[in-house]
Amino acid sequence: QKEVEQNSGPLSVPEGAIASLNCTYSDRGSQSFFWYRQYSGKSPELIMFIYSNGDKEDGRFTAQLNKASQYVSLLIRDSQPSDSATYLCAVNMRDDKIIFGKGTRLHILP
Amino acid sequence: NAGVTQTPKFRILKIGQSMTLQCTQDMNHNYMYWYRQDPGMGLKLIYYSVGAGITDKGEVPNGYNVSRSTTEDFPLRLELAAPSQTSVYFCASSPSDRGYTFGSGTRLTVV
Repeated sequence: QKEVEQNSGPLSVPEGAIASLNCTYSDRGSQSFFWYRQYSGKSPELIMFIYSNGDKEDGRFTAQLNKASQYVSLLIRDSQPSDSATYLCAVNMRDDKIIFGKGTRLHILP
Repeated sequence: NAGVTQTPKFRILKIGQSMTLQCTQDMNHNYMYWYRQDPGMGLKLIYYSVGAGITDKGEVPNGYNVSRSTTEDFPLRLELAAPSQTSVYFCASSPSDRGYTFGSGTRLTVV
């Protein structure tokens, strides 16, 4: 069973601090990794994708990938109340199926 | 540019009824997907398609059927609706493995 694991949270972070979201995956051959943000009652929105080991930065967001440890993370700098949402980690398995984790609820404290 | 359009947005079905959830995309994406999302359970892949005329099962295909006669359309058919199919259904498309664009979802209740 190919799996993507996330801590369900809620993760509470003070406004202005760094939020760190983590995800592990089971298929060592996975090639593509995605982070989606989902506000309550809305559809998921792609915010980051990463293919290579290391860091990828886009504005306040940084995705980190470590294929040897089968671990991908998302850092949100200068957290804002508007960042409060559920963050879904998704992994493209070798058979072209993208498997989602259950998501981590993030709550930014004003 | 409409992106991915799903209809209807809400529907209540009686047990044993059938219905088709419509999904249309105008981005000329080859890949299309159907997911269901239950509270606290994340997204589960029902069916997917890598191009017109090609479909394949995902993680939870039982009770559903799909067809892909055109690049734009990927309808999901529910036969003999059951309470376990109460969920939010999302259609998504992508040009490759560069991440999805999701539709706004269909909230289905089976009573």
